[in-house]
Amino acid sequence: QQQVKQSPQSLIVQKGGISIINCAYENTAFDYFPWYQQFPGKGPALLIAIRPDVSEKKEGRFTISFNKSAKQFSLHIMDSQPGDSATYFCAAQAAGNKLTFGGGTRVLVKP
Amino acid sequence: DAGITQSPRHKVTETGTPVTLRCHQTENHRYMYWYRQDPGHGLRLIHYSYGVKDTDKGEVSDGYSVSRSKTEDFLLTLESATSSQTSVYFCAISETPANTGELFFGEGSRLTVL
Repeated sequence: QQQVKQSPQSLIVQKGGISIINCAYENTAFDYFPWYQQFPGKGPALLIAIRPDVSEKKEGRFTISFNKSAKQFSLHIMDSQPGDSATYFCAAQAAGNKLTFGGGTRVLVKP
Repeated sequence: DAGITQSPRHKVTETGTPVTLRCHQTENHRYMYWYRQDPGHGLRLIHYSYGVKDTDKGEVSDGYSVSRSKTEDFLLTLESATSSQTSVYFCAISETPANTGELFFGEGSRLTVL
């Protein structure tokens, strides 16, 4: 069973728009929530990460929002650019355990 | 970019044949992982290693074995490939037990089993 559920599977956004990807989890032991970005033909790379002691983290145009009570977290890409077109994976980890990845979201930013 | 090299990058093989994928790192990281990536499933952990000769199973380990005789090399073997093992395989490394979640990935090995 998938412990981290990610949605949508794909999305198309116009240049300058906001891309929003959502993830939900069940395991309350998860205490680390990274997002990975993957370009075609490449391996994933860490984009941004958050721990549950904060509700939001921002790095440039990328923001993670975290709702501990709802067991949900999301990635917002502000002012989306064609270069942001990639597949994005959320993930979650409990201390001492391995990363569990969501199913991925393919983002296409149209110029 | 982290020094991770996967080989081969592409392979087509037939059902029932053995296949070995190699991951070589130049970062001297202690932890190494093998993932498979399939549409809709994200990345799923096959096996991982926490040191030379120290390995353990991930969530989808059936049909796979691994070996790590040197810090820099982590081999993934499919003893008898099946069509369900057609996938893109990624090697990853981390310096810590990945409590920080920061994994560095190779560029992948695309395996097709006919």
